[in-house]
Amino acid sequence: DIQMTQSPSSLSASIGDRVTITCRASQSINRYLNWFQQRPGKAPKLLIYAASTLEGGAPSRFSGSGFGTEFTLTINSLQPEDFATYYCQQSYTTPYTFGRGTNLEIK
Amino acid sequence: QEVLVESGGGLAQPEKSLTLSCAASGFTFNTYVMHWVRQTADKGLEWVAVISFDSSNTHYADSVRGRFTISRDNSKNTLFLQMDGLRPDDTAVYFCARASRIAVAGVFYWNLDVWGKGTTVAVSS
Repeated sequence: DIQMTQSPSSLSASIGDRVTITCRASQSINRYLNWFQQRPGKAPKLLIYAASTLEGGAPSRFSGSGFGTEFTLTINSLQPEDFATYYCQQSYTTPYTFGRGTNLEIK
Repeated sequence: QEVLVESGGGLAQPEKSLTLSCAASGFTFNTYVMHWVRQTADKGLEWVAVISFDSSNTHYADSVRGRFTISRDNSKNTLFLQMDGLRPDDTAVYFCARASRIAVAGVFYWNLDVWGKGTTVAVSS
């Protein structure tokens, strides 16, 4: 199975900050990488697919980059509604493994 | 509006069975690949199973293979997860999710773009 390693596991930031979350795959997954946002008690919500393509309706302050084994999710100018948990997931092959998540908290 | 609604969760004893359902609306269900994903506080999000649009192909996580069966009834716009031989570590919130295949720069990529709200399964004696 492909292992997905996210870092950091938690992050404190302030409104207006820029933050970056990293996701590493244990083998090359080309650009088959999705990012999800999850708020407490809710389902995951797709933010970015194919490593860098913004899902319709997702705010433009979210961006993704990377190829192969190293990927990043960047959030520019944090808004109150962005404080949530973020997950990466590879869709290169089954099982579709997820990272353990990054909990973004208000400083 | 594209909506998925899970049902069928509850409390089950170890080694017993439970069947989850996922009712789809607002999109052409029989043209989409569908997944089950579960979540626990301990393990996070764990992919469980996938089924092709016409039920011709299925794949399972090692942890559930041989015990869980994914199926669908396209006439009823419903996805199922038959869970047999339940174990305490199957305790989780179970989500169904729609898979979309999108072309980006001439290459097709899969994502999970529509999710249900989840149904909770607890396995305990």
